[in-house]
This record gives sequence, structure tokens and C-alpha cells, in this order.
Amino acid sequence: EIVLTQSPGTLSLSPGERATLSCRASQSVSSSYLAWYQQKPGQAPRLLIFGASSRATGIPDRFSGSGSGTDFTLTISRLEPEDFAVYYCQQYGSSRLFGQGTKLEIK
Amino acid sequence: QVQLVQSGAEVMQPGASVKVSCKASGYTFTDYYMHWVRQAPGQGLEWMGRINANSGGTNYVQKFQGRVTMTRDTSISTAYMELSWLRSDDTAVYYCARDRELIHGAYGAFDIWGQGTMVTVSS
Repeated sequence: EIVLTQSPGTLSLSPGERATLSCRASQSVSSSYLAWYQQKPGQAPRLLIFGASSRATGIPDRFSGSGSGTDFTLTISRLEPEDFAVYYCQQYGSSRLFGQGTKLEIK
Repeated sequence: QVQLVQSGAEVMQPGASVKVSCKASGYTFTDYYMHWVRQAPGQGLEWMGRINANSGGTNYVQKFQGRVTMTRDTSISTAYMELSWLRSDDTAVYYCARDRELIHGAYGAFDIWGQGTMVTVSS
């Protein structure tokens, strides 16, 4: 079974800065079936990125995804106040597994 | 608009069963898989399994095999997740989430989520 490891566990940045979140898989993720979600307190997760690099409907272009195989990255080019949240990666092949999450907090 | 609306919070005794509903609207219910995901307090997301909303076929995570049953009623566009033999560590928010790909397509991420149902297991 694939294990997804996200790093860092917590990322402290200021609005306007660039955020880089990592997701590493223990085995290659087939066909780039890799997604990123954002979750704010008390809310359901929201799909940001699917297919490793495709933005979901309505997601601002400051969010971008990249990577393939076992190493994937979510980049937020210029942080807005509403971007501070927890981010999860997910592989969605025959099984659907989530990483443990990265908390993006205001510095 | 496309949305999933779940049933309300539940407080259950250990050993009991809980059944959570998820009503879909704004799209053709039988064209997509529905997934169930749970999140214990302060913890991450855990996928429990999925149901083919057309055929009713299911795939469960091994951890929940024998305790979880996913069903659907196509006449009212509603999916259900029943978890039995509840334990204290089943206390969590339970979400339904739609697969973004059509049933006969490729694997999909989860593009529409319900608001979540808090299930508390306590004596």
C-alpha cells in the first residue's frame, strides 16, 4: 500500500510570501492520480488540484501543482489571508489514501 | 447547484450502529461514485470506501470490512453509510464526497463534499 508523507508538518509564512508544500509517495503514483485539498476549521475539504497539476473549477491561479512518480509539490505563489489552512495530498488510484496534512499558519 | 447535504449529528452508545445519509442534488446521481471519508477530532482524513451509485457495487477499506455498509436509494438520490459495532475511536466527522469522474471513466479525485456529520460514540 502506498504511503504519502507530507512535509513540513507546519509551515509559518506571512501574507504575500510563496508557499511550497511537499508530498512524497512510498511508491510511484500511477498516471499522476494525485490531488491536493484545502481544509479550513469546521469546513469540509475543498479540491484544489487533480492529476498532479490541473486546477479544479474556481481555484485561483496562484495555486499550482507539479511533480510525478513519487514527488509532488503544491505551490501558492503569493499567500492571501484566506489561504492559511491545512492542506492534504491524496493519491486516487485503486485506493484513495491521504497524506497526514501540512498546516499553513500565519507567521 | 451541485451539492451534497448530510444528515445531522448523532450521539451513539458503544456497540450500536449509526446510519448517515447524503442527499445529492444538481447532477445525475447515478453517473458517479460516492465516497465516504472520516476525520477524527484533530486528525487527518481517512477514506472508508465507495459505492457505485448506479449498480450499488461497493469497495470498502479492509479496516472497515464487516462493520461498514454503503447503500443508495436512486429514487431519492441519496447515499447511506452505516457503521456498526461502534467504538469510542469511531468518534469523528463523516463526510460523503463525489468522485469527479463519470462511473465508466478513469479514477477521480473528490470534487463535491457534504458538510459533514459528527458522530460521537460515548456511554
